[in-house]
Amino acid sequence: QVQLQQWGAGLVKPSETLSLSCAVSGGSFRGYHWSWIRQPPGEGLEWIGESNESGNTKYSPSLKSRVTISLDTSKNQFSLKMTSVTAADTAVYYCARVPRGYNNLYQYYYMDVWGTGTTVAVSS
Amino acid sequence: QSVLTQPPSASGTPGQRITISCSGSNSNIGSNTVNWYQQVPGKAPKLLISSNKQRPSGVPDRFSGSKSGTSASLAITGLQSEDEAEYYCAAWDDSLNGFYVFGTGTKVTVL
Repeated sequence: QVQLQQWGAGLVKPSETLSLSCAVSGGSFRGYHWSWIRQPPGEGLEWIGESNESGNTKYSPSLKSRVTISLDTSKNQFSLKMTSVTAADTAVYYCARVPRGYNNLYQYYYMDVWGTGTTVAVSS
Repeated sequence: QSVLTQPPSASGTPGQRITISCSGSNSNIGSNTVNWYQQVPGKAPKLLISSNKQRPSGVPDRFSGSKSGTSASLAITGLQSEDEAEYYCAAWDDSLNGFYVFGTGTKVTVL
């Protein structure tokens, strides 16, 4: 079955750039969107953004100035970069697969496969 | 900055039926389908319901979803101890060039 393996630095200094990657195995990279979600300690889930298979992206309005999501289709991988991080960016970061389309005039968009999560702490 | 509102907590005894509400607006639930996720502490969220009422393979039929207007609900019938978890609703929001939004989350406790 499809699995998402994610990795990246677990400790980032304030004002520096957070970088995470996610590899897709056991399934097709094409035909889906690919997303990042985060969860600060003790808080709820926050959508960061997504990319479709062509590299077209959408981002959370509150994060778009600092976030870049990119794909490497040759490696079935996608990545997240977040610049100018602060302590407020401390969270567990998840990558996820997103089926997206239209059914009976309604858009469907959901995360059906998730990575295991990477804990990122922002601290000097 | 969630725009989907859920009750902070819900509880029931084994075998009972409970419901969790999710309140949104015309730009999200009113225009798009609703999904529900279950998250056990320390684990990644798991898709429970997609497109308002579709259960992915492997999800017990004790879980059901519905939507009406700008609100949605998740019902759990025959509550079991393993259902103790955090539950999040979510939907695409068409405002501000489009973004995905999660609900505030509901902690379900099995008494």
